[in-house]
Amino acid sequence: DAGVIQSPRHEVTEMGQEVTLRCKPISGHDYLFWYRQTMMRGLELLIYFNNNVPIDDSGMPEDRFSAKMPNASFSTLKIQPSEPRDSAVYFCASSRTGTRSSYNSPLHFGNGTRLTVT
Amino acid sequence: TQLLEQSPQFLSIQEGENLTVYCNSSSVFSSLQWYRQEPGEGPVLLVTVVTGGEVKKLKRLTFQFGDARKDSSLHITAAQPGDTGLYLCAGVSREYGNKLVFGAGTILRVKS
Repeated sequence: DAGVIQSPRHEVTEMGQEVTLRCKPISGHDYLFWYRQTMMRGLELLIYFNNNVPIDDSGMPEDRFSAKMPNASFSTLKIQPSEPRDSAVYFCASSRTGTRSSYNSPLHFGNGTRLTVT
Repeated sequence: TQLLEQSPQFLSIQEGENLTVYCNSSSVFSSLQWYRQEPGEGPVLLVTVVTGGEVKKLKRLTFQFGDARKDSSLHITAAQPGDTGLYLCAGVSREYGNKLVFGAGTILRVKS
C-alpha cells in the first residue's frame, strides 16, 4: 500500500498562472477529498468525490478553482488564474467509505502540495 | 468561527509531564476523530469515538468523548519528544452536512 500520492510536493508560481495539483488515491477507496490548510483557517474541505463523481463542491472558494476525477486512480485540482491568497498546503485524502455510511472510516491523507503564489 | 474549538492552541512541556487537550463544540457529533500531523506530512488518524461517554486508550494516549457528544479530550501521560506534533480533532455532524470538519488544532512541543 503506497498510500495517497500527491504531486508536486512544492509549487511556486506567479500570480495569474495556472496551477494543477495531482492526486493518486489508495486503490479500492471509493471516496476522494481535497482539503486546503492554512494557519488562519486550518483544514478546509474543498470538494469530495464518490466513485469519481463530484458530490459536494460547496467548499470550493471561487470559480477559479476546479477539480476533476477522470478515473478511480487519478484526480486533479486546478487553479486558474492563481492569486497570492491561494498560497496554502493542499491535501488530497481518500477513504474506503464516506462519513455518512461508516463513522469509523478513516481518511488517509497524502503529504500535501505546498503552493506559493507570488 | 470554527465549528470545533480546540484548546490550548499551543502547548510546550517537558518530557515526562502529563497534558490534556480539548475539543469543544455547541453541536452534536455522530462521531469524532483525532489526528496527529507532523511537519511536511498529512494528518494521520489516531482514534475514532462514536458513543457518548466512550473512552479509548492508545498506549499513553487516552481519548474521551463527552456524554452529550459535543466535546472530546485527549490526555497524554508521560509525554515524550516523539509526541510532538499538531493534534487535530475532526467530527461528523448533521449540522454540517455530515461532512468531516476539522478543528484548528493544538500544537504540542515536548522538550527533552
